[in-house]
Amino acid sequence: GAVVSQHPSRVICKSGTSVKIECRSLDFQATTMFWYRQFPKKSLMLMATSNEGSKATYEQGVEKDKFLINHASLTLSTLTVTSAHPEDSSFYICSARDQRGNQPQHFGDGTRLSIL
Amino acid sequence: AQKVTQAQTEISVVEKEDVTLDCVYETRDTTYYLFWYKQPPSGELVFLIRRNSFDEQNEISGRYSWNFQKSTSSFNFTITASQVVDSAVYFCALSAANAGKSTFGDGTTLTVKP
Repeated sequence: GAVVSQHPSRVICKSGTSVKIECRSLDFQATTMFWYRQFPKKSLMLMATSNEGSKATYEQGVEKDKFLINHASLTLSTLTVTSAHPEDSSFYICSARDQRGNQPQHFGDGTRLSIL
Repeated sequence: AQKVTQAQTEISVVEKEDVTLDCVYETRDTTYYLFWYKQPPSGELVFLIRRNSFDEQNEISGRYSWNFQKSTSSFNFTITASQVVDSAVYFCALSAANAGKSTFGDGTTLTVKP
């Protein structure tokens, strides 16, 4: 079945570092991918919609200069957390939807980001 | 605006008990999808089911069953004869048709004790 690959699965880095997370659709094309953030014991909150070939659409309250999204191809979206700080520590998870339509979104396995 | 409410924050049962996880939703869309996902301690989201708003038939898959009641805007999930491996956080989610992005409930943490 359809699979979404998210990499890396875990990142631990120092404050001030920029971290890039990749989301790939492995056997389907996705013009749209979604990035969610999950705090401990909380629900998934949509951060932004990644659109292939155009700018991402950010949800209210999400800093677009902090969370850079690039969707350069139909199978890859990247989320870069710039100048990360401890408060950016969280579980980030992406999803992608097969552009052929009438398909449920498929989630990656998530990235656990820890900023020291 | 869309909203998903999972009123049960935590549920604890003993193995082999049946357990029902509640989900109530709000939407102005006439066509939408409802989902249930399982998130085990390892963190990944496991897709369990998708239901189209036009399809109110109940569904059974092994020990899992889902009851969709459009009249009460509910999409409840029942696990029959629960097992320890069912312990996880379960999320109910809603998305407008063709929108792709989902609105999630706060999740219900299910603990099944041996």
